[in-house]
Formats: sequence, C-alpha cells, structure tokens
Amino acid sequence: NAGVTQTPKFQVLKTGQSMTLQCAQDMNHNSMYWYRQDPGMGLRLIYYSASEGTTDKGEVPNGYNVSRLNKREFSLRLESAAPSQTSVYFCASQDRLNTEAFFGQGTRLTVV
Amino acid sequence: EDQVTQSPEALRLQEGESSSLNCSYTVSGLRGLFWYRQDPGKGPEFLFTLYSAGEEKEKERLKATLTKKESFLHITAPKPEDSATYLCAVHPYGGATNKLIFGTGTLLAVQP
Repeated sequence: NAGVTQTPKFQVLKTGQSMTLQCAQDMNHNSMYWYRQDPGMGLRLIYYSASEGTTDKGEVPNGYNVSRLNKREFSLRLESAAPSQTSVYFCASQDRLNTEAFFGQGTRLTVV
Repeated sequence: EDQVTQSPEALRLQEGESSSLNCSYTVSGLRGLFWYRQDPGKGPEFLFTLYSAGEEKEKERLKATLTKKESFLHITAPKPEDSATYLCAVHPYGGATNKLIFGTGTLLAVQP
C-alpha cells in the first residue's frame, strides 16, 4: 500500500519552462489536493478536486493548472515557470470531508 | 478572516522535559482541527483530529486538547525521536468546503 505517490522528487527548471507534477493515490479517496510549502508561510492550497471530474481553485492558483485524470490521479501543471514558484509541492488525498488528509513525500522545485 | 497561529516557532527540550505547543485559531465556525507531524524532507503525517471543545486525544507521549479558541499538543517525557515540525490545521465552516488552513508550525528539537 503506497498511499500517495508524487513524481518527480526533485526538479530544476529554467524560467519560462513548463512541467507537470504527477500525483497518484491508491486509497480510493474522493478528494485530492495540491499544496505548496514555503518557509514562514505554512502550507497553502493551490487547487483541489473534491471528486473525480471536478476541480476548484484554492488560495494561490495563479500560474498553475490541474487535471483530475481519474479517481487515482491528480496532476499539477506549470505552463511558464517563474522563480516565485520555487517551493516544495505536496499532493494530498482525503476520503471524506473533515477526515484526515494523507500527504505524499513532496516535490522540491527550483526555478532559476 | 480565518487564521491559524502556532507558538512557539521553535522549541528546544531536554529528553524527558515535558512541554506544550499551542495552536490558536480564528474561524467563523470549526468543522475540525488537525495535528500533523512533519519530518525534514517528508510530507506531513497525520496525528489527531479534534471536533469539539473539551475533546482530548492521546497517542504515546502526545496528547491533544481543544478549546473554543485554541488547541494544545502536550508532549510528556519527550525522546529525541519526537524531534520534528508539528503542524496544526483547521477546517472552517463557510467558503470552500474542502479548505484546510495550516499554521506555520512549531519546530521541536529534543536533545538527549
């Protein structure tokens, strides 16, 4: 039982490049989330998907797009990376509202 | 505005020296409060959920309590392996139904 798996673990991009962060969960959870974590800022919600086929903006969605490919997979795309997007990105999944969320191991992204 | 504040930012304890971490929150209504542990380079790991004032949960050396305005994570006789960042998050009523608001965490170091 792998839980929540994120790829890649590390990535360096040049300004303007694009990339997709992948996330998959094997717990049959309905909801999935993308967060970014920056020093002194805490975890901030970028986008979430309450169920397969739906996505909604979180607190800091600008510069990102998401796709809920199926119930298992939720990807985050940076179309034109900027240095301000240097961060650690976490994917999470949740079975039901107001229950615990399970997090992946994170993707450390550096944009130069 | 919904807000979560954790204190202290950092705490250094000697092995066996008990203490408490604080999580103060300001929300229009509380669906639930969550405590997570985060080790360096890893994703947050779920510890506890508290839903109503007066509720308490325990796990090994950790005990979480909840009042109408704050939560405490009490650490009794800590060991070096308890060293980590402890995150608090609240799930408020109103706004996006899946929104979790995280504090910036308390970095705990337990010295042998």
